[in-house]
This record gives sequence, C-alpha cells and structure tokens, in this order.
Amino acid sequence: AQSVTQPDIHITVSEGASLELRCNYSYGATPYLFWYVQSPGQGLQLLLKYFSGDTLVQGIKGFEAEFKRSQSSFNLRKPSVHWSDAAEYFCAVGAPGGGNKLTFGTGTQLKVEL
Amino acid sequence: GAVVSQHPSRVICKSGTSVKIECRSLDFQATTMFWYRQFPKQSLMLMATSNEGSKATYEQGVEKDKFLINHASLTLSTLTVTSAHPEDSSFYICSARDSGEYGYTFGSGTRLTVV
Repeated sequence: AQSVTQPDIHITVSEGASLELRCNYSYGATPYLFWYVQSPGQGLQLLLKYFSGDTLVQGIKGFEAEFKRSQSSFNLRKPSVHWSDAAEYFCAVGAPGGGNKLTFGTGTQLKVEL
Repeated sequence: GAVVSQHPSRVICKSGTSVKIECRSLDFQATTMFWYRQFPKQSLMLMATSNEGSKATYEQGVEKDKFLINHASLTLSTLTVTSAHPEDSSFYICSARDSGEYGYTFGSGTRLTVV
C-alpha cells in the first residue's frame, strides 16, 4: 500500500526567505505525486503534480517540486515566501491506474513571519 | 476552471438528528466524487468513493449505514450523517473528478458540529 510522510508538522519562515517542505513516499513503483494547499476552513487547491517526465515540476504561485526516485522524495520549494503563503500544505500520492484514490500526508503548517 | 460547490459551509445539529451535505460540480459532469473527513490538525481520510448511478464504495472502517452517500446525477453527490453524535463532529470535504486521471477539484468543506 502507498503511504506518505511529511516529517515537519510546523515550519516558520520569514517573509522573503526560501522554503522547502519535505515529503517522502512509499510505493513499489513510481507513483503519481501531488502537493495541495489548504487555507483555514477551506478545501484544497492543487499546487502541482508529477506523473512522469521532467523530475522538476513547476506549479502555481511560484512553487516547484522535485521528484527524487533514489530518495523517495517529492519536496516542495519556493525561493521567496510571501505572507499569503501561510497555510497547511499536504503531499499526496496516487497509484497509477489505482482508481484515482489519493493518500495524503499529515500536512505541514507553514507560518510566515513578517 | 472547474468549480465544486459544497453546502453548507457550517452546520450545527443536535445529537441524534441527521445532516445532509451537498457537493455539486458547477461547470462539468463528475462521474466520480470522493468524500473525505478531516480531524483538527490532521490529514484527510478518504471515507468513500461515489459513482453516479451506483452504490458508493466505502473505505474500511467507515460505517455505510451512518454515512449515507447518494450520487443521483452527474453533478450532485450528497453525504448524509445519520443519527449524528458529537464524535461525528469534523470537517468534511468532497472532491470531484473533472479531467483525466487524478484530475480533481475540491469543495470548500463543511464544518459539522454535533451538540
């Protein structure tokens, strides 16, 4: 079965600083990988996804993520964080052909200091 | 882009009553919708997969008689929490498959509080 680990429950960064949120997955082959963002009391918005091809994926709002097969990781990065990026971030994994069911990590709460 | 409307956004109900949550795809047809439950400061747990015109598929450990799911049309799925109890209080989120494989749009969620 697939699983996702987000080791950092909380992260605090200063506005303008760079950001990296960690995500590790467990799956027998190359899974489909996703990053979502959730603002308080809201649903989830897709930031980016990886299915195949170029391992560096560009997303919305200036985010990018890199798939590293050797490390079973899909870390999310942003070179300069804005105060509006404060939210909960979820990494998710799906099995190709697996009925479109996503498995989510436990999330990382991002706080941005002004 | 694709929009999913979830209603109500917040609901408070008395213990023992039932509550219905609606999930609508506004500008596309969704043959498959998903219902998630999220506890405070925790991740989303998939409750069930809803397919238009057929019975929902529930995840292990989810009581199908308590969480009734109906997907009667290509744009509407409903989740009814029957005989609600305080432990059912949670944030419920739906998502609809809008395009291709793993193409989802999420609703904005429903905060259910059972008193």
